[in-house]
Amino acid sequence: DVKVTQSSRYLVKRTGEKVFLECVQDMDHENMFWYRQDPGLGLRLIYFSYDVKMKEKGDIPEGYSVSREKKERFSLILESASTNQTSMYLCASSPAIGGGSTDTQYFGPGTRLTVL
Amino acid sequence: RKEVEQDPGPFNVPEGATVAFNCTYSNSASQSFFWYRQDCRKEPKLLMSVYSSGNEDGRFTAQLNRASQYISLLIRDSKLSDSATYLCVVNRRDEKLTFGTGTRLTIIP
Repeated sequence: DVKVTQSSRYLVKRTGEKVFLECVQDMDHENMFWYRQDPGLGLRLIYFSYDVKMKEKGDIPEGYSVSREKKERFSLILESASTNQTSMYLCASSPAIGGGSTDTQYFGPGTRLTVL
Repeated sequence: RKEVEQDPGPFNVPEGATVAFNCTYSNSASQSFFWYRQDCRKEPKLLMSVYSSGNEDGRFTAQLNRASQYISLLIRDSKLSDSATYLCVVNRRDEKLTFGTGTRLTIIP
């Protein structure tokens, strides 16, 4: 079974703090993703990475950065947390299959971040 | 127009009934389609992939209509454990997925 783990289930931070969310997958997947999920808005892609040290902006990258130094680990960084970044953050991974198709993504349990 | 649109519900359905959800997508170039299930305060999990010829997995049947750009999910003989939010998912370029906002289903005893 694919296992995707996230460093924290719940996190409370103050406005202006630098926040690190870590994600680790154990299935040697090339692709890794960070989403946030908010009521009524669904899952929105923040950043994704298709290889070590490679990253691409998703739909809502403002206020976030990422790091992928090892294939199994993908970190999301909130440079200066703000209250509008209070959300559920979900990490996912998938194997690369190419050809215009996409394989299923496997999600971690999520981190519920509250910024006060 | 949203890339993936679903009726948010809620659908409140008696146990044992059949329920169907539809979803429409805007990108005619999409090639991969999925239904995910998300329980309250949990992560989304793959329920089933959707193939052009339609596919069935036990009580669940998924259909794809490329001409009309919609995907359906049928649940027969619904169980209490089917209560969840069902997410319609469609791929876009570069191995990214677009998730619908979900349809909430509650099975009533």
